[in-house]
Amino acid sequence: SAVISQKPSRDICQRGTSLTIQCQVDSQVTMMFWYRQQPGQSLTLIATANQGSEATYESGFVIDKFPISRPNLTFSTLTVSNMSPEDSSIYLCSVDRTGAYNEQFFGPGTRLTVL
Amino acid sequence: AQKVTQAQTEISVVEKEDVTLDCVYETRDTTYYLFWYKQPPSGELVFLIRRNSFDEQNEISGRYSWNFQKSTSSFNFTITASQVVDSAVYFCARTEGGSEKLVFGKGTKLTVNP
Repeated sequence: SAVISQKPSRDICQRGTSLTIQCQVDSQVTMMFWYRQQPGQSLTLIATANQGSEATYESGFVIDKFPISRPNLTFSTLTVSNMSPEDSSIYLCSVDRTGAYNEQFFGPGTRLTVL
Repeated sequence: AQKVTQAQTEISVVEKEDVTLDCVYETRDTTYYLFWYKQPPSGELVFLIRRNSFDEQNEISGRYSWNFQKSTSSFNFTITASQVVDSAVYFCARTEGGSEKLVFGKGTKLTVNP
């Protein structure tokens, strides 16, 4: 299984500020995904991040609010911009190692609270 | 959107009981993958199983077993002789549109009481 780390593990932020979440994988992966899990809810895909191209966002998520970087095959960042209390969620990155529908592993998540 | 439905919001059992978590999905894809994940109170998402849409063989792994019925679009998960450590939220998911992105059900919270 892939070893995935996320930083920070949790944070409490003020309304109107931005937070950048880092996702590091222990091996090169083709695709990385960012999900949001609002309190008591299921997971919703925010975007797919491929190295060397712009991220692909799902309906309801926009680049200005959730800019993503993917500078190499082991690392990605998600920024939550101009935060509001509604952004309080767990943000998780996941990887699909080979792009061949193998096991998708998730990072430990970043628990964000916006005051 | 093509949904993944986990009709059971919460289930409570006593230790050593068997419990089945239901999952029904919608899809127009010919090829897709189905997943189950466990999310314990600590919050991390633990991969349990991946199933190819062309492989309808049931699978057993220790106390866990999965029943895939393509004809009814169901992928149910059974825990035999449940233990307190099985208490968690369990999510069923499938791939969408021939990609690797996942669509999740709303989850079933399982509580196993001693």
